Order: sequence, then C-alpha cells, then structure tokens
Amino acid sequence: DQQVKQNSPSLSVQEGRISILNCDYTNSMFDYFLWYKKYPAEGPTFLISISSIKDKNEDGRFTVFLNKSAKHLSLHIVPSQPGDSAVYFCAARGSGNTGKLIFGQGTTLQVKP
Amino acid sequence: DADVTQTPRNRITKTGKRIMLECSQTKGHDRMYWYRQDPGLGLQLIYYSFDVKDINKGEISDGYSVSRQAQAKFSLSLESAIPNQTALYFCATSDFRASGETQYFGPGTRLTVL
Repeated sequence: DQQVKQNSPSLSVQEGRISILNCDYTNSMFDYFLWYKKYPAEGPTFLISISSIKDKNEDGRFTVFLNKSAKHLSLHIVPSQPGDSAVYFCAARGSGNTGKLIFGQGTTLQVKP
Repeated sequence: DADVTQTPRNRITKTGKRIMLECSQTKGHDRMYWYRQDPGLGLQLIYYSFDVKDINKGEISDGYSVSRQAQAKFSLSLESAIPNQTALYFCATSDFRASGETQYFGPGTRLTVL
C-alpha cells in the first residue's frame, strides 16, 4: 500500500516555463512534507519542505503548495532551467518524533533548452 | 569533503556472498538510515538507528542486518546476497533537534548481485 504517490513518472517542459510536479498521500497523520532532487550517480539532496500547518512555502524559484483536504502537494519551479533536469522525490513524515520518511516513486523532470 | 560518505560506490558480487556496505558521517547527527532504491519504487527504508544503542527495522529489512559501530558509522550487511538485492543503496542522517528534521543522503552504492 503506497502511502505517498507520484503518479507522473516523467515530465518535460521548455526552459523558462513553469514545471509542476505533483504528489498525493493517503495518511492524514503526516505532519511534514519534503521534496528531494536527485541527479544521476548522486544521492538525493533536500530541496524544500512544508509543515502541515502551512499551505505554501517559497524558496527562490521553488514553491511547494499543500492542500490538506485533498491530501495533495505540488512543487512549482519558475522559471525552469536545464539544470533542474533531475528526478524529484516527494516524502512525508509521520507525526511524532520518529524521523522516518515515506517516499514517492519519483518524477523525472526534463527541461529542454 | 562530503558530510555523508559511503563505501564502496560500486560493487559486483555473486549469489550467496556476504557483503558489507559502510556509511560514515561528519555531521554529528544521532540518527542514521539505510534505504534502497529500485526503478519505479522510490526509496524504501531498510533499517534505521536513533543512536548507537537503538536499531529498528524498516519496511524491507528481510535479508539485511546492520551495525551501528559509533555515532558516525552505520554499516549494512547482506549475509547471503541474492539477485533481487541488486539496487542502489543510500545512507542518510538527520538531527532530531532540527526543525523539520531533514535527512541528508550519501552518494549511494550501486550493488549488483549476479
């Protein structure tokens, strides 16, 4: 039973346009959500996060939106750049001091020059 | 220098062999994790450790064991490797005192079991 799902395995956008990556979850007890970016031959690197008490968090070109009623979060990248081409994972953390993360399957983003 | 290092980076072995993957960190974090990544499945938690004396099973611990030798070192063992353990393995650390408790990942080990 996949608690965190990224239903789009891949996404292709033109440089300068907006990239929107989506993530759905099933467990209403998740209290923190994170996005990681992964380049080939490297480990995932933290990108941006959001607490369940917020609905938006912004960091430069990256914005994460959380819709708790729909159990949905999205990552917006504006404007998209070729260097953003990577695999993006969303992850969710359960409530309590567990530290454990549940990851989605990942979405491969390709930004074309 | 990288904060989280993994050795080896690549390993090819045969079915039935014992394999150890090692992870070291200089971040001073108490919590460490081992994940595996398979195509289309994201990262799955194998084992995690909240301190040297605390080891916990994750989602897919069967066929694996771990050892937390020190705060900075966490090793993963495959006692008798099998081909479906071919995957990318990642170590991660986190600081439970930090807001959000972001996990920081090593570069990964690509393991192939023939």
